Amino acid sequence: RKEVEQDPGPFNVPEGATVAFNCTYSNSASQSFFWYRQDCRKEPKLLMSVYSSGNEDGRFTAQLNRASQYISLLIRDSKLSDSATYLCVVILGGGKLIFGQGTELSVKP
Amino acid sequence: DTAVSQTPKYLVTQMGNDKSIKCEQNLGHDTMYWYKQDSKKFLKIMFSYNNKELIINETVPNRFSPKSPDKAHLNLHINSLELGDSAVYFCASSQESGGRPLHFGAGTRLSVL
Repeated sequence: RKEVEQDPGPFNVPEGATVAFNCTYSNSASQSFFWYRQDCRKEPKLLMSVYSSGNEDGRFTAQLNRASQYISLLIRDSKLSDSATYLCVVILGGGKLIFGQGTELSVKP
Repeated sequence: DTAVSQTPKYLVTQMGNDKSIKCEQNLGHDTMYWYKQDSKKFLKIMFSYNNKELIINETVPNRFSPKSPDKAHLNLHINSLELGDSAVYFCASSQESGGRPLHFGAGTRLSVL
């Protein structure tokens, strides 16, 4: 089983739609969680951290479920510019970062 | 000013050659990394240095040798390049070795022919 798993997609959604991605992790000792965004042929960039109580940043909401070992990202009112690959990142003890494969999102007009 | 810069951006070379990729960060971060992103888009850590000291060394062929002359630079030298080395190599830095966001360079696209 991979340490961090994501549905690779692609998720094809119309503008204005709400879309959610999940990411599961296998190591219960995982300490920190993030979502990164990677545009085509570009470097990954931090989108948001994921806090235990859940957190929101504009149209983006991240949640953590430690009992079930998954994190989620919800995007409301999708924009064309949201089209990208969304990478789930888990930090293990010792500071080792593990990236998921990424979920590809394509927002269509 | 680019925060994490790596050169070259593109590298096309023949099997068996030796090549280097350079990385510099001007963020004052203590930790630098090399990641490899293959054709299936998986980003895998290769090496991590904290203040010039190697702290993470994943299962990477010993043809790959990182060098950190100071905490702002982390270079990657690859000997005897193989077809399977073709990938995008990303340099990154963070303030500490764990739990802090990574800042990535723009990547080096390596094609081994």
